[in-house]
Amino acid sequence: AQTVTQSQPEMSVQEAETVTLSCTYDTSESDYYLFWYKQPPSRQMILVIRQEAYKQQNATENRFSVNFQKAAKSFSLKISDSQLGDAAMYFCAYMRVRGKLIFGQGTELSVKP
Amino acid sequence: SQTIHQWPATLVQPVGSPLSLECTVEGTSNPNLYWYRQAAGRGLQLLFYSVGIGQISSEVPQNLSASRPQDRQFILSSKKLLLSDSGFYLCAWSVGGRAAFFGQGTRLTVV
Repeated sequence: AQTVTQSQPEMSVQEAETVTLSCTYDTSESDYYLFWYKQPPSRQMILVIRQEAYKQQNATENRFSVNFQKAAKSFSLKISDSQLGDAAMYFCAYMRVRGKLIFGQGTELSVKP
Repeated sequence: SQTIHQWPATLVQPVGSPLSLECTVEGTSNPNLYWYRQAAGRGLQLLFYSVGIGQISSEVPQNLSASRPQDRQFILSSKKLLLSDSGFYLCAWSVGGRAAFFGQGTRLTVV
């Protein structure tokens, strides 16, 4: 069965600095998708970034980028130039092609002014 | 554009009462549909997912059931609620490996 693990329950970063959130996953599939979601206190789930497993190039969305290591089954999120609005719970997620979408336990990110 | 509607936003129900939460998607066809439960400060637990009408996969044995009577309608039900069913319930949809998009959630309190 597929699993997603986020080993950092909490992280903290100074405003304007860079922070990296870790995620590992376990699967026997070769084709799948990976995501990072942000959940602010409103509890709305917001997509941050998406990665297709067959693409070697790491995805980037403005200040957000990933380090995708398929062989190591690692998918970390880097947030550059952190802003106060980045403070939230961040979830790593794995989606099997046409099917199951599972999430890690989350990392709560705080941003210090 | 695609939209997802989930209701109600808040619900308080007595123990032993039935439950029906509804989720509908507009602007797409044959989506994958999901129900999750989230405890406060915790991750999203996948309860059910569906890849087509009448096709339901149950992930966690529990007091809940799900149905998909129409292509874009997903219903979460219970015949008799337990205190442990309290939580935040989220519905989501996805198509073709694009990201899943979520409803606003339902905060259920069983008293």
